[in-house]
Amino acid sequence: DAGITQSPRHKVTETGTPVTLRCHQTENHRYMYWYRQDPGHGLRLIHYSYGVKDTDKGEVSDGYSVSRSKTEDFLLTLESATSSQTSVYFCAITAGTYSGANVLTFGAGSRLTVL
Amino acid sequence: EDKVVQSPLSLVVHEGDTVTLNCSYEVTNFRSLLWYKQEKKAPTFLFMLTSSGIEKKSGRLSSILDKKELFSILNITATQTGDSAVYLCAPLARETSGSRLTFGEGTQLTVNP
Repeated sequence: DAGITQSPRHKVTETGTPVTLRCHQTENHRYMYWYRQDPGHGLRLIHYSYGVKDTDKGEVSDGYSVSRSKTEDFLLTLESATSSQTSVYFCAITAGTYSGANVLTFGAGSRLTVL
Repeated sequence: EDKVVQSPLSLVVHEGDTVTLNCSYEVTNFRSLLWYKQEKKAPTFLFMLTSSGIEKKSGRLSSILDKKELFSILNITATQTGDSAVYLCAPLARETSGSRLTFGEGTQLTVNP
């Protein structure tokens, strides 16, 4: 694998509780992304980071925040989880040049269930 | 707003059949188009297409891009049960702070023995 670790891999929580998902990379890549995947919607971008402390919103960012205090870690936080945030969350990384084999590489995913 | 439409959404074939998966897109600042294969886990990279008309091949899989008509196709010949997966199309666009991938919903391919 490309050196991406997501944790936890599975989590069940209750509505209104905070949840943090962690993405850790060992590739020293500049760009990191959080996607969610839901039936009928495919993969949708939540937030991304283009460097330490540099983040931006994706198309479905409401209800989510992110932080990147060091190159290797990108955290996704649900401040108050809702049932609509039940999903599979994928972290992805790239060095950013998108040439040759340097493309977006995904972590194994984190399955979150909000009851 | 960027738009990516894949068709068909679902396809069931028998081993040995040939399949064609379609992807049409409308993306601002288009750079290239990527295809991914997703089994019961994370998507894995198949192809990146940047130029029109140049067919990319990898074994039984091939893909072509038409930048004028804004579509791409993915062909799989002599399908095998191991080809069963969701195939995702993702146009890549250039942005000020990097690049952006927009994914289609995917085509669920099932290959029966």
